Amino acid sequence: NAGVTQTPKFQVLKTGQSMTLQCAQDMNHNSMYWYRQDPGMGLRLIYYSASEGTTDKGEVPNGYNVSRLNKREFSLRLESAAPSQTSVYFCASSATSGREQYFGPGTRLTVT
Amino acid sequence: LAKTTQPISMDSYEGQEVNITCSHNNIATNDYITWYQQFPSQGPRFIIQGYKTKVTNEVASLFIPADRKSSTLSLPRVSLSDTAVYYCLVGPYSGAGSYQLTFGKGTKLSVIP
Repeated sequence: NAGVTQTPKFQVLKTGQSMTLQCAQDMNHNSMYWYRQDPGMGLRLIYYSASEGTTDKGEVPNGYNVSRLNKREFSLRLESAAPSQTSVYFCASSATSGREQYFGPGTRLTVT
Repeated sequence: LAKTTQPISMDSYEGQEVNITCSHNNIATNDYITWYQQFPSQGPRFIIQGYKTKVTNEVASLFIPADRKSSTLSLPRVSLSDTAVYYCLVGPYSGAGSYQLTFGKGTKLSVIP
């Protein structure tokens, strides 16, 4: 099992460009999450999906959209990237909300 | 949401037992306490979860007093490879509907040879 996979691993964008971060899990988990982590900071929840077909805003949703494509996949879209969105993005999944979360390797995004 | 407070950093020598305490004064009745470990450039990894009293696994122990307003993660005989950031989280065990977990800044543990 691959666990949680994320693509791409690294990305550089110019201000105003758009992109989609992909996340997939093969553990048949119901819940999936997107976090961002800025240097020296903890993780902040952007959006989460408690179950297939539902998405909810987290602590810092502005500037992002998500799609729970199916049970396996949960994508994060930046419609118009800003330098403030430079961060490391982690996707995670858990069997259900509140259970232990399994994290992907992260996507390091730089917006210039 | 229950807010948590942890020390920003701790140092320990190899082979010592390390105890990291987390305060969560407004923990709710249905909240569990969960600890994660994060190494540089990696996503966090689950360590242990508990509701009350003591929980032990092959990696750590979690001590939760009767009032549940704090918890202590205990790492026995740490090694250099335990140098990481440790996060304490409080939230419902299995939620229906919306809820959020807050990671906070965690405790940076440095193990010294």
